[in-house]
Amino acid sequence: KAGVTQTPRYLIKTRGQQVTLSCSPISGHRSVSWYQQTPGQGLQFLFEYFSETQRNKGNFPGRFSGRQFSNSRSEMNVSTLELGDSALYLCASSYGGSGGNEQFFGPGTRLTVL
Amino acid sequence: GQQVMQIPQYQHVQEGEDFTTYCNSSTTLSNIQWYKQRPGGHPVFLIQLVKSGEVKKQKRLTFQFGEAKKNSSLHITATQTTDVGTYFCAGNSGGYQKVTFGTGTKLQVIP
Repeated sequence: KAGVTQTPRYLIKTRGQQVTLSCSPISGHRSVSWYQQTPGQGLQFLFEYFSETQRNKGNFPGRFSGRQFSNSRSEMNVSTLELGDSALYLCASSYGGSGGNEQFFGPGTRLTVL
Repeated sequence: GQQVMQIPQYQHVQEGEDFTTYCNSSTTLSNIQWYKQRPGGHPVFLIQLVKSGEVKKQKRLTFQFGEAKKNSSLHITATQTTDVGTYFCAGNSGGYQKVTFGTGTKLQVIP
């Protein structure tokens, strides 16, 4: 089985711009979660999508949004970028029948905001 | 909300020494998972513990889940340079609740 893929792998943007990141889960997985990872804050949960519905949400401002398509692929959007949004954005997929399933992480998208 | 803390934040050990990281949750957990992230890599699932007091072993790694299901530990015997990385615990309170990752313990092994 192919693993979780994320595109793009690297991205450089300037403040005020917006960005869309993409995640393709493992075939058969219906849950996709997004995390922000920074050296000082560890792994911060953004949101989880299951069957095209947002099932859980972390404590991030409304500038961070996401969606999931019928094929389980997910996108994350960040509008009005700030310098502090520079981070590694990881998505993880799981079967998702209930919480606590093993999560398979993608390689991440490294976002740099200048 | 649920918080999951890990200690220590960093640990440097001489190759061959043992290493332990501890994970504590503010709430009772339904299950707990452990992940390892190598430098420059992404978290990789190691194991899941479900039962109160459960102990599982993977070669030199021993995982424990506390009796109250609020804490867990990962112990590595005789560390090797391949053990280098950050170890995260991740707790779930059950149902469709999200998984909360711990703060992580970064392990450095000195050859």
